[in-house]
Amino acid sequence: DAMVIQNPRYQVTQFGKPVTLSCSQTLNHNVMYWYQQKSSQAPKLLFHYYDKDFNNEADTPDNFQSRRPNTSFCFLDIRSPGLGDAAMYLCATSRVPVEFGSREQYFGPGTRLTVT
Amino acid sequence: GDSVTQMEGPVTLSEEAFLTINCTYTATGYPSLFWYVQYPGEGLQLLLKATKADDKGSNKGFEATYRKETTSFHLEKGSVQVSDSAVYFCALSDRWAAGNKLTFGGGTRVLVKP
Repeated sequence: DAMVIQNPRYQVTQFGKPVTLSCSQTLNHNVMYWYQQKSSQAPKLLFHYYDKDFNNEADTPDNFQSRRPNTSFCFLDIRSPGLGDAAMYLCATSRVPVEFGSREQYFGPGTRLTVT
Repeated sequence: GDSVTQMEGPVTLSEEAFLTINCTYTATGYPSLFWYVQYPGEGLQLLLKATKADDKGSNKGFEATYRKETTSFHLEKGSVQVSDSAVYFCALSDRWAAGNKLTFGGGTRVLVKP
């Protein structure tokens, strides 16, 4: 009973070639997040969607974009990947408003991006 | 702003040893506290949580108590197994954080040897 699904699990792209990572969820959560994680460091939030409202983090490069066509799906687009964009990309979901104090996020398995 | 500080690793233990990972936090509101675990090549899994002072979260033999007086949420397990080898992240979500945003600690790598 997968709850947050990310495809593909491994993605190889060429330097400068646009790439799209996908995330879907069966939790019917209204908030979806994209994180970048390097070398088991703490995940770094890139942006999140609160319903249809897009919220970008101040230090997220313009090279990263996102789309959320419906509640269940969210995409991460990297317009011109550089070698420094090689990382694990994690999708997560959460529900707002909070019920019974449950503010946790649920994470997918991640997509490992390699840039050649 | 909010912050989470956890002990640096790696922490290397023998099987059946006692594990403690220290976590302290700074928050302006009333945070919920979490421990997430990340196994090699995987995403983060919620290990346990606590939503108010003195709550104890527990799961899979792990425990952590929300201590508001010491602003701490230390993770403990009485007898670790090789399968507990992973990276552990302490995190908080402040009551006023828009969209349940999480603030993470730096992560602690734990290696359990047979």
